[in-house]
Amino acid sequence: GQQLNQSPQSMFIQEGEDVSMNCTSSSIFNTWLWYKQEPGEGPVLLIALYKAGELTSNGRLTAQFGITRKDSFLNISASIPSDVGIYFCAGHYGGATNKLIFGTGTLLAVQP
Amino acid sequence: DTEVTQTPKHLVMGMTNKKSLKCEQHMGHRAMYWYKQKAKKPPELMFVYSYEKLSINESVPSRFSPECPNSSLLNLHLHALQPEDSALYLCASSQGGTAGYTFGSGTRLTVV
Repeated sequence: GQQLNQSPQSMFIQEGEDVSMNCTSSSIFNTWLWYKQEPGEGPVLLIALYKAGELTSNGRLTAQFGITRKDSFLNISASIPSDVGIYFCAGHYGGATNKLIFGTGTLLAVQP
Repeated sequence: DTEVTQTPKHLVMGMTNKKSLKCEQHMGHRAMYWYKQKAKKPPELMFVYSYEKLSINESVPSRFSPECPNSSLLNLHLHALQPEDSALYLCASSQGGTAGYTFGSGTRLTVV
């Protein structure tokens, strides 16, 4: 099935560092979502973006919906050990085509 | 109640067995979904139900049979599975449109 290209594939950082990851697609999406998944759990929604150019924050997390509607990025500031997990972007077509397609994921490891 | 509940959490089944995965939500969401996730990979869409009707089947083999008995429940019936079907099966729900999906914790399925 279709996948979104997400980079980097993995990141190993020190506590306190800032993190940036992005997602690109050949398709236009109506909505971009960012999820975090921890081992043995389902993905948890972090941020939802609904308009091209939109910049939204959730605590230390900031995400933007690209102007072309084909990309998005997520920044995490001042990382802490509990930020560890896999971060997925997801694009939603919306309307009658109710499909949420996931990016390939970014594994984040934070060293105290 | 803002949760999607999946049972069982773990399931081991033989290739000749018949089993069912269950999913329940009480958020009034009108769309429900089944995803399959292999280790270190993103979730892949299998089925979409909208207003209790199957609206998307992503070419899933017939050994997987979804059922939506009512607006709160979603089942996935399994029969004659193969070892390569072993994966985390995730259920999700949403209001529809471009709303973010809420995921359950998943059922870890092992086919022996």
